[in-house]
Amino acid sequence: QKEVEQNSGPLSVPEGAIASLNCTYSDRGSQSFFWYRQYSGKSPELIMSIYSNGDKEDGRFTAQLNKASQYVSLLIRDSQPSDSATYLCAVNTLTSMDSNYQLIWGAGTKLIIKP
Amino acid sequence: ETGVTQTPRHLVMGMTNKKSLKCEQHLGHNAMYWYKQSAKKPLELMFVYNFKEQTENNSVPSRFSPECPNSSHLFLHLHTLQPEDSALYLCASSQSPGREISNEQYFGPGTRLTVT
Repeated sequence: QKEVEQNSGPLSVPEGAIASLNCTYSDRGSQSFFWYRQYSGKSPELIMSIYSNGDKEDGRFTAQLNKASQYVSLLIRDSQPSDSATYLCAVNTLTSMDSNYQLIWGAGTKLIIKP
Repeated sequence: ETGVTQTPRHLVMGMTNKKSLKCEQHLGHNAMYWYKQSAKKPLELMFVYNFKEQTENNSVPSRFSPECPNSSHLFLHLHTLQPEDSALYLCASSQSPGREISNEQYFGPGTRLTVT
């Protein structure tokens, strides 16, 4: 069964520091990877997508992908209290049935930024 | 309206009731999805529609019945639910209909369902 693993946390980081969130996946054939942020009581919001090995930067966020090691990470620089949320990793992978792609989700890491 | 909308936002229903959840996307996407989110568990994909055709049904009990009249609207009809069906039900849409690599999905605000 294809899986996506995340540490559930909570991960506590002081304000202004770098928060590092990690995700591993089981399907070596996965092609695209996403980070979503979910505030308590709200729906997931797409914040980063990455398709190639290496780093992708967007403002204070950097996604890192290493397909050989089957992990993807999200770095948040200059962490703010407003970054406190649950971060979901999602991996796009082929289903075994009919060549459709489907997002496989991790259970999320709860991040707490302490002022 | 912009993005993906869902109604109602909160729903309390008895086990013998029949109700429907509604989702509408204003993004011009081709695919729509229903997910169930329970506390501390990964998102569970329930149904996928590509161009109005159902392409996935992940062993969902028949007390959940989806309907997709067009690419912009998606319904989830509920009947004789169980207390363990209480959860956040999320609708999402994507441009890619599941056969493309990107598959970025955008979510509605969700319906918080409580079954009593």
